[in-house]
Amino acid sequence: GENVEQHPSTLSVQEGDSAVIKCTYSDSASNYFPWYKQELGKRPQLIIDIRSNVGEKKDQRIAVTLNKTAKHFSLHITETQPEDSAVYFCAASPRASKIIFGSGTRLSIRP
Amino acid sequence: SQTIHQWPATLVQPVGSPLSLECTVEGTSNPNLYWYRQAAGRGLQLLFYSVGIGQISSEVPQNLSASRPQDRQFILSSKKLLLSDSGFYLCAWSVSGSSSYNSPLHFGNGTRLTVT
Repeated sequence: GENVEQHPSTLSVQEGDSAVIKCTYSDSASNYFPWYKQELGKRPQLIIDIRSNVGEKKDQRIAVTLNKTAKHFSLHITETQPEDSAVYFCAASPRASKIIFGSGTRLSIRP
Repeated sequence: SQTIHQWPATLVQPVGSPLSLECTVEGTSNPNLYWYRQAAGRGLQLLFYSVGIGQISSEVPQNLSASRPQDRQFILSSKKLLLSDSGFYLCAWSVSGSSSYNSPLHFGNGTRLTVT
C-alpha cells in the first residue's frame, strides 16, 4: 500500500525566514496531495492541495511543489509568522477516496 | 453549509470495556466517511473509510470495527478495549463522486480516548 514519508519531524525557524517540509510517497498511482495544519488540541485543517497534473501551486505565503518522477512533494512557507507554529501533515491519495498521511512536522517560529 | 459532528469529546474507559464513537455529517449526501487515529505526538493513521452505506474498507488489523448504518452516520466500535487503543480519534468526510481526483477531508473535532 501507499507509504508517505515526511521530513523533518521538527523544524524551528526565525520569524520572517522560510520553512520547507518535504514528503515522499511510494505509490505512483497517487494523484492528489493535500497539506493540513493542526494547531494544538484542534482538528487538522486543509491549507493547500495539489493534483498530479500540476507541478506547483501558490496561495499567498504558502506554496507546494510536486515532482511525480521522483515521487516527492514539498511545502514552502515564506515570511513565517508566529501563527504559523503548528504541526503540518502531508498526505497522498493512491486511489479515489483513500488518503494516507505522513507522520507530521512540528514547526516552531522563533521570535 | 456542511457540518460534521463527533462525540463524545473525551472518554475514559477501562481495559476490556466496549467502545462506541459516533460521527454524523449534515448538509451533504453520500459523503465519503473516514476514521483516523492520532497517537500522542504521532501522525494520522487511517483506520476505516467508507464510500457508501454498508461499504467499509479496513486499513489496519486491530480490535476495532466500523459501521455505516445511515448515509451520513459513521460509527467506530470495539468489543474490548486495549491500552494501545488510547489516542485521538478523528472522523472526517469528503465529497464523493470523482474517480480521478479526490476532494479534501473535513475533520470533526475529535474524541480523546484514554484507556486505563
